[in-house]
Order: sequence, then C-alpha cells, then structure tokens
Amino acid sequence: DADVTQTPRNRITKTGKRIMLECSQTKGHDRMYWYRQDPGLGLRLIYYSFDVKDINKGEISDGYSVSRQAQAKFSLSLESAIPNQTALYFCATSDTSGGFYNEQFFGPGTRLTVL
Amino acid sequence: GENVEQHPSTLSVQEGDSAVIKCTYSDSASNYFPWYKQELGKRPQLIIDIRSNVGEKKDQRIAVTLNKTAKHFSLHITETQPEDSAVYFCAASRSGGYNKLIFGAGTRLAVHP
Repeated sequence: DADVTQTPRNRITKTGKRIMLECSQTKGHDRMYWYRQDPGLGLRLIYYSFDVKDINKGEISDGYSVSRQAQAKFSLSLESAIPNQTALYFCATSDTSGGFYNEQFFGPGTRLTVL
Repeated sequence: GENVEQHPSTLSVQEGDSAVIKCTYSDSASNYFPWYKQELGKRPQLIIDIRSNVGEKKDQRIAVTLNKTAKHFSLHITETQPEDSAVYFCAASRSGGYNKLIFGAGTRLAVHP
C-alpha cells in the first residue's frame, strides 16, 4: 500500500547537535508538511512544501530548516538542537486532485528527545 | 493570526452515551473543516470532514455540524464504544493557493465500559 514513512522513529540527542529527520512517501502526492506535536498544543505546522521548488514557513519555523530533495522526500533539520525541541514530529502529505483542499495523510511520527 | 480553539480538552463518557467536541475558528475565509482521530501511539487519521457549502454531514455514528455565521463546528459521536477512546483534533483551512490546516489543541476522549 502507498504510505508515508519517517526515519528514525525514535532519536535521543544532546543539546547543540545537528539532527535530520527524514520523510518519504509512495503516495505520489505533491504536497508535504512537517508538524510538531506537544501535549495540550495539538499539531503545529513547522514547514510545508507544495512542490520540489516551493518551501514555506509554518507557524513555528524558528530553529528548523527543511529540504525537498525530490517529490517523494522531505527532510527536517535541527541545526543546533535544544531541549525545548523535544517533541513528537509528524510528516504529512496531500495532493491537489479535485481542485480543493484534500485529506492529509500522516507518517508514523518521530519521537525526538534533546538532552 | 489564524486560530482554532477546541473544547473540552478532556471528555469522559460511559459506553453508549453521546460525546460532543466543539471548535471555533478565527479566519472567516476558512471553508474546509476536517476532524482527525489519533489513537494512543498512532498517527492522526481523518475520520470526517465538512466543507462550507453544507451545514451537517453524517457517517454512521459520527456527525459534524458547521455554523459559519458563528464560526464554530462540532463533532458528535453517538452510541460511543471503548474503541472511540482517542485524541480528536479539529482543524480549519482555506482552499486554493497556500492553504494549510490550523489544528485545535485536541480533546482526549475516554469511553468507559
């Protein structure tokens, strides 16, 4: 089945380290998103990309960067990790078929702990 | 900025009772309102959505209502079952162009047998 996958699924790192979270999809969707989930705060958008040449900041982009290497791959980087970036990170995809906003499909999540 | 408020943050019901979760949104141009369910340790998954050209949509035991004048929408679950226990997120979005979902903070629903 077409799916959205994330690697790693769990990561523990130290303050100041650079870390990359990767997302791949076999759904053939053009749009990809990175969210952060914290208890009581819901899902907050970090970055989103509507095609390989299009990158947009979300509501909480500070401290993060992204790269859309191909239509199927969208990676999130923390250049210098800090403890308050400890969270559950989700990648999601959607397509533009039908000309209206479509369902977002989420990956399984990456649990990141910054010590 | 754009904002979606969701209430209550936690909800506990007895099996067979109904559950209602309410959301309000700030962007009057929003016209797409999905609801996602996230079971413990799992990814969020869409359970129902509504677009602004309709006021209500049903799918078996779940329904969503929309009041665009008041800028609020609600999820209704009837005849709740233990497997309905999860965190539910509402969201709102405009369509076209750089549309993106703004999520509520979530409601943790517990259905007790």
